[in-house]
Amino acid sequence: DIQLTQSPSFLSASVGDRVTITCRASQGISSYLAWYQQKPGKAPKLLIYAASTLQSGVPSRFSGSGSGTEFTLTINSLQPEDFATYYCQQLNSYPLTFGPGTKVDIK
Amino acid sequence: EVQLVESGGGLVQPGGSLRLSCAASGFTFSDHYMDWVRLAPGKGLEWVGRTRNKANGYTTEYAASVKGRFAVSRDDSKNLVYMQMNSLKTEDTAVYYCARVLGTSWDSHALDIWGQGTMVTVSS
Repeated sequence: DIQLTQSPSFLSASVGDRVTITCRASQGISSYLAWYQQKPGKAPKLLIYAASTLQSGVPSRFSGSGSGTEFTLTINSLQPEDFATYYCQQLNSYPLTFGPGTKVDIK
Repeated sequence: EVQLVESGGGLVQPGGSLRLSCAASGFTFSDHYMDWVRLAPGKGLEWVGRTRNKANGYTTEYAASVKGRFAVSRDDSKNLVYMQMNSLKTEDTAVYYCARVLGTSWDSHALDIWGQGTMVTVSS
């Protein structure tokens, strides 16, 4: 199975900050990676797929990059509604797996 | 409106069974693969299983933790996807989400539409 790690696991930031979250895969997964945002009590929301394709309706301050084993999610100018937990998911091979999550909290 | 609505969650004893349902509306259900994902208390998201569409033989995939115990199926005539859960364990306690797979090519296998989730509690 492909294991995903995320760093940091917790991040404290202020409104307006630029935030970067890293996701690393235990083996190469080409660009078959997605990023999701989840708020407490709510369903996850797709932000990015195919490593760098912005899902329709997602603000352009979110961007993704990377291929192979290392990927990043960047949030430019963090907004109050962006405080949430972020997960990466590999879509390269079964079983599909999620990273452990990165919680972005208010400083 | 594109929507997924889960039902069937509840309290069940260890070793028991439960069937979850997910009703889809607002899109051509039969075209899409459908997944189940869970979120256990204090844990992260865990992918559980997938059913492909008719064009891909309605074949299924599962996480190792549920393989042999859970079964995903679908009824395209009713726009429903199901997950039969047998031999339930306390560690299966979680909110279960159904989700639509964006596309059938590998670069579009992300989950773009999610239901609100249904809680399953396995406890004696």
